Amino acid sequence: AQSVTQPDIHITVSEGASLELRCNYSYGATPYLFWYVQSPGQGLQLLLKYFSGDTLVQGIKGFEAEFKRSQSSFNLRKPSVHWSDAAEYFCAVGATGNQFYFGTGTSLTVIP
Amino acid sequence: KAGVTQTPRYLIKTRGQQVTLSCSPISGHRSVSWYQQTPGQGLQFLFEYFSETQRNKGNFPGRFSGRQFSNSRSEMNVSTLELGDSALYLCASRPGQGARDTQYFGPGTRLTVL
Repeated sequence: AQSVTQPDIHITVSEGASLELRCNYSYGATPYLFWYVQSPGQGLQLLLKYFSGDTLVQGIKGFEAEFKRSQSSFNLRKPSVHWSDAAEYFCAVGATGNQFYFGTGTSLTVIP
Repeated sequence: KAGVTQTPRYLIKTRGQQVTLSCSPISGHRSVSWYQQTPGQGLQFLFEYFSETQRNKGNFPGRFSGRQFSNSRSEMNVSTLELGDSALYLCASRPGQGARDTQYFGPGTRLTVL
């Protein structure tokens, strides 16, 4: 069965530090992978997506993610975190059958 | 283009009542999905509608239902509310039904059941 795991429930980083949020998926075929961000009281905003081709994808707000098939991972990274990046981040996989599967999210706190 | 809109944004109900939530997708999008979001549970898929037909359904009781109109607007209904139904209900639209079709989310409706 398809599933998405985000091992880190909560992460705290200092402003200006680098960030990596982990995402592992379980899916038999080539997955379509997404990262979303949710600010308090808001819906989910798409950060980036991976369908095929270059395994390093660039997104909005300076985020990037790398698809590693051998590790079934799609980790999100940012070289220098800003205080405005504090939010909840969700990894998702689009599967055949037209359904999306979401991880339980990682809450990011940024300290000055 | 205007984004996905959801009404109302906030709702307070009591146990046993029923509630209807509304979602207007992005213009041209024919697929609408509904999710329930609670702390610790993440997003739980409720159902998806495409061209007025329910195409997928999550593992929720029959108290949760929905429909889609010819203009792609969608409503979801929860009958006989329970305390555990308190959650943020998110609607997402996408152009088609493929797994590559990106979902765009509305701001959600915060439902509180007392």
